[in-house]
Amino acid sequence: GIQVEQSPPDLILQEGANSTLRCNFSDSVNNLQWFHQNPWGQLINLFYIPSGTKQNGRLSATTVATERYSLLYISSSQTTDSGVYFCAVGYFGNEKLTFGTGTRLTIIP
Amino acid sequence: NAGVTQTPKFQVLKTGQSMTLQCAQDMNHEYMSWYRQDPGMGLRLIHYSVGAGITDQGEVPNGYNVSRSTTEDFPLRLLSAAPSQTSVYFCASSYGAGNEQYFGPGTRLTVT
Repeated sequence: GIQVEQSPPDLILQEGANSTLRCNFSDSVNNLQWFHQNPWGQLINLFYIPSGTKQNGRLSATTVATERYSLLYISSSQTTDSGVYFCAVGYFGNEKLTFGTGTRLTIIP
Repeated sequence: NAGVTQTPKFQVLKTGQSMTLQCAQDMNHEYMSWYRQDPGMGLRLIHYSVGAGITDQGEVPNGYNVSRSTTEDFPLRLLSAAPSQTSVYFCASSYGAGNEQYFGPGTRLTVT
């Protein structure tokens, strides 16, 4: 099956800093999503981005499908950005979404 | 819209007991799925459904059953609980398999 690797596994930043999270995948995909799991366990969909670039406030994401990676950018970090960020992918002819093991982000006030 | 709802929020079972985790969505989504989340392993797909009456296995289906008699509901049954099934269980739904997924709040299950 498809492999999904996320880096870094852990990231600790001061409030106000910027960060870049990376997701590499092993095969062509037609479905890529970024999720944020907050400290209370709730999973929130941030982006549906199989290719191209999207922005939502301080967050943006870019997927370069031909090179099999996606990046999530967080600018001017706030403590509420803390949690685990997951990348999940799916590919043509397969109805399953495969998750990476996540990046744990901790924002220090 | 309530979105995706799951009950119960917490459950403790003894080894060998059976139970059903409930999942419902009110967004008229065709695709529903169940995941389990264990420390350090991300989310792993247990079963999924592309519509009422259609279900299929995911990555870790052993020990679990599902059925989909309506578009709204997708219950997950543990037939004979084992300590290895201690986990947090999430239900998700989307319009189709390749669309944006929405998650329920999760059920924390402990099997002793």
